Amino acid sequence: DSGVTQTPKHLITATGQRVTLRCSPRSGDLSVYWYQQSLDQGLQFLIQYYNGEERAKGNILERFSAQQFPDLHSELNLSSLELGDSALYFCASSSWGTFYGYTFGSGTRLTVV
Amino acid sequence: DAKTTQPNSMESNEEEPVHLPCNHSTISGTDYIHWYRQLPSQGPEYVIHGLTSNVNNRMASLAIAEDRKSSTLILHRATLRDAAVYYCIPAGNNAGNMLTFGGGTRLMVKP
Repeated sequence: DSGVTQTPKHLITATGQRVTLRCSPRSGDLSVYWYQQSLDQGLQFLIQYYNGEERAKGNILERFSAQQFPDLHSELNLSSLELGDSALYFCASSSWGTFYGYTFGSGTRLTVV
Repeated sequence: DAKTTQPNSMESNEEEPVHLPCNHSTISGTDYIHWYRQLPSQGPEYVIHGLTSNVNNRMASLAIAEDRKSSTLILHRATLRDAAVYYCIPAGNNAGNMLTFGGGTRLMVKP
């Protein structure tokens, strides 16, 4: 157990639907990062939150959004889902930037049918 | 972000040392060199990181070239559990920096 909890572990949904992925960071970590991993794209950075505020954005589609709540857990919302959104979604947390390392969760596998 | 070049794959025998190379010729002077690995069906995990000097921890050693344009991750005795994709990632240390993963090296360990 890495200390980062992601739920659900697996999700199967239909095209056009909306889903919410949840991440609880390691105790004490203020930063949360979301990554998408598909077979043809590798690990792609989506978005970072630090203590409730958006800090950096990567290759995140407009159909996707995220937020970090006062208790520091984070949610990634994916809407108008397409077949190409099928991927593993990882959440990572850190106490401060990259220096103290990221701790990754075990991921949510999203399948869009 | 600095561009990195790693072999797509490498093979090793169990209990032998493994040297995983990485070229990062465009690394900035303040970037640390981070190594992560991703075991099958798991999220990436931190291995080691360094700035200029060689670094050791319980998992591995990191040898950094004097000009910092390349580095080598050393697994002293590979085990079957070390079979994974290894990522070399130069990254700054500010709060706004993040880890950008490339293709990595897939390490296969033969019994």
